[in-house]
Amino acid sequence: AQTVTQSQPEMSVQEAETVTLSCTYDTSESDYYLFWYKQPPSRQMILVIRQEAYKQQNATENRFSVNFQKAAKSFSLKISDSQLGDAAMYFCAYRSACSGNTPLVFGKGTRLSVIA
Amino acid sequence: NAGVTQTPKFRILKIGQSMTLQCTQDMNHNYMYWYRQDPGMGLKLIYYSVGAGITDKGEVPNGYNVSRSTTEDFPLRLELAAPSQTSVYFCASSSAGVEGQPQHFGDGTRLSIL
Repeated sequence: AQTVTQSQPEMSVQEAETVTLSCTYDTSESDYYLFWYKQPPSRQMILVIRQEAYKQQNATENRFSVNFQKAAKSFSLKISDSQLGDAAMYFCAYRSACSGNTPLVFGKGTRLSVIA
Repeated sequence: NAGVTQTPKFRILKIGQSMTLQCTQDMNHNYMYWYRQDPGMGLKLIYYSVGAGITDKGEVPNGYNVSRSTTEDFPLRLELAAPSQTSVYFCASSSAGVEGQPQHFGDGTRLSIL
């Protein structure tokens, strides 16, 4: 079974600075997808960014980018120019690509605080 | 643009009571999921469905039942509520046939069993 580990329960960053959230995963599969979800106090789960394992190029979405290291099974999220609205729980998630739309496997999350 | 709608948003149950958490989506997604999120933890899969009439167990199915009679609806039933089922419950959906499509989540139902 696949597992996802987020080793940082809490992180903080100054407004306008850059922060990196760590995520590692364990799998024997070669084809899969990785996601970062944001969960603000409203409890909604909001997709931040997605990475296909077969792509070597790191995904980027505006101020959000990932560092995907397939051999190391690492998938960190970098948030640039941090804003107060970035404060939330961030979850790393894994999904197998072996058959259809398989369920997500989540890490325990990292709570990000943004300091004004 | 309703997306995934969960009702109720909050509920308090007594031990042994039963209830159904409702989930409906208007995106014509074949795949639907139920997760629970305990304090300080990530989401754990309870049940999922790949289409009407088809359901399967996830990581933590004990104490729950589901049904999928239509594409739109995926209710989660608790038959005999226990304190261990106090949690926030999320329903999600995703499209089939398109690889890597993300799951769309509802706003969650906060359930307390006292």
